[in-house]
Parts: sequence; structure tokens; C-alpha cells
Amino acid sequence: SQQGEEDPQALSIQEGENATMNCSYKTSINNLQWYRQNSGRGLVHLILIRSNEREKHSGRLRVTLDTSKKSSSLLITASRAADTASYFCATALINDYKLSFGAGTTVTVRA
Amino acid sequence: GAGVSQSPRYKVAKRGQDVALRCDPISGHVSLFWYQQALGQGPEFLTYFQNEAQLDKSGLPSDRFFAERPEGSVSTLKIQRTQQEDSAVYLCASSLAVEGETQYFGPGTRLLVL
Repeated sequence: SQQGEEDPQALSIQEGENATMNCSYKTSINNLQWYRQNSGRGLVHLILIRSNEREKHSGRLRVTLDTSKKSSSLLITASRAADTASYFCATALINDYKLSFGAGTTVTVRA
Repeated sequence: GAGVSQSPRYKVAKRGQDVALRCDPISGHVSLFWYQQALGQGPEFLTYFQNEAQLDKSGLPSDRFFAERPEGSVSTLKIQRTQQEDSAVYLCASSLAVEGETQYFGPGTRLLVL
């Protein structure tokens, strides 16, 4: 079973625009992670945000976490064609080691 | 600085055939995970090793699935008597720490059972 759910399932934007996707989860977490997967490839870790953090930045990526609403968002600013990929949120529960992934958001950036 | 590698990258098996999938984690990583990813879905946890000890195999779908990591580095996921529903991408990941930290994924093995 998957703990996280991403929204929307798919997103199509013009190059240069921002892309926002959301993740909701069900139980208390240790941390939440975002991964990117290009077609036919493995997952690449983007950013990890801990349960006591509210916002984190990495380059053109901005992640927020609202533990009261059990939700997170990933913002990609000034998107590029190379950002075309599927994006997954994954939650790590307290005292656990495995990650629980959502079904992902497929982002298409049009040139 | 090699990442996680997996072999083979692609495997076509006839139904009923046994397959073995290999994972070489990042050197020194204590934790090793196997996930199964169906088409259009996120990865689903299969099993977890801490060094050579298999601490959790709760995600293995049936007793046809078996994983080992005998020397605490390379791991093999074996599927016996493959079925069509076993068709998926099998991802291996490794992590330096033991609890919920960043996992580094390999490229996966795409298994197709005919």
C-alpha cells in the first residue's frame, strides 16, 4: 500500500513557467523526500525535508511541509525541458527504514 | 564514485522460468533495499538488508521471491517460477544510514514475463 498521494497526476507547462505538485500522506513521519525519475531510468534524490522543518530550497526547487495537514509541495521554478520527468514523494516513518512512495506526478515541459 | 548498479538491465523470461537479479550498492553503504515498480506506479517496498542481515521481507509478494546479501555488499533477488504478474521494474537502493535517510537508486532491472 502507498502512503503518499501526489496531485496532480499529470502536469504540462511551457518552458520558463513554474510547476507545483502536492503530496498528501496519512501517518506521522520522520521525513519526506522527493525523487525524480526520467523515462526508463532509476530514481534520483532531489530533496529531504524533516518533520521539524517547514521549507527547504535546493537550486530551482522549493519544498514545503505542513505536518498539521500531512501535506508537502514541490515547486520547480523557471522550468526547463530537462525537467520533464515523473516526480515522487516518499515518506519515512519514525523508527523505520523503508520509504513509502506515492504514484507520482508526470511533468511535461514544452519547449 | 560509482553509484548503485544493477544487472541485467532487461530480462525477458518465459513463464515458469527462474530469474536472478543482481545489485551492487555503493561501497560502504549499510542498508540495501529492493523495490518493485509496476508501470505507472510508484515503487513498492519488497525487502531490506542491514549489512548481511535481512531485517524485513514483509513486502515480498510470495514465497517465490527470495533475496540474499551474504557478505553484506552485493545482493541478489531471485524469483522462482515466474508469473506474468511479476513483470515490473525491480529497483535496488542503498543508504549509508539505517533509518529513513536518503536512498540512492540503481537504474533498475526491467523484467518481462511472457
